Amino acid sequence: EPEVTQTPSHQVTQMGQEVILRCVPISNHLYFYWYRQILGQKVEFLVSFYNNEISEKSEIFDDQFSVERPDGSNFTLKIRSTKLEDSAMYFCASSTSGTGGESQHFGDGTRLSIL
Amino acid sequence: GENVEQHPSTLSVQEGDSAVIKCTYSDSASNYFPWYKQELGKGPQLIIDIRSNVGEKKDQRIAVTLNKTAKHFSLHITETQPEDSAVYFCAANYGGSQGNLIFGKGTKLSVKP
Repeated sequence: EPEVTQTPSHQVTQMGQEVILRCVPISNHLYFYWYRQILGQKVEFLVSFYNNEISEKSEIFDDQFSVERPDGSNFTLKIRSTKLEDSAMYFCASSTSGTGGESQHFGDGTRLSIL
Repeated sequence: GENVEQHPSTLSVQEGDSAVIKCTYSDSASNYFPWYKQELGKGPQLIIDIRSNVGEKKDQRIAVTLNKTAKHFSLHITETQPEDSAVYFCAANYGGSQGNLIFGKGTKLSVKP
């Protein structure tokens, strides 16, 4: 069964540094998402992306964050000037349709640790 | 803001018993309600979903019910097995037409052999 793959599985970064999290969505999917999950808490929506532009973003997704689809397969989340509170699991998801949240499939996440 | 409440936070059952997890949502425009299972070290896995034009949906041992008037939906797992042990999240789509999901806080289900 096709799956969403994320790399790296664990990223350790010094506070203030930039980090890029990478995702390869399912190949025939057109809508892409990033979510985060702080340890022990709920999964929170960050941003959705379609047709090379942001569709929706949450209050969490401020100027510190950016997303990009640099080629036909990768989807990246960049966090500039990382802060301690950015430590979390970051999940990428993809779906065939962006209407109504349909059938989003998640990767296994990148654990981001900010020191 | 929009919110999804999920209960209970932990649930322990004996193998073979049924498990029920309940969620309520606040956004009246929500029309899509998925359930995810998250095992340790893994991402959320979609196990079943339901749309607002349907009151109940079943897939083998898993069923979901939706009461749109009351704004609540439930996950039912019958004949539970130890491999059902995981954290389960309910979610609802925000604004109805938008793609972002609002998640509940999760239920840690433990099935004792």
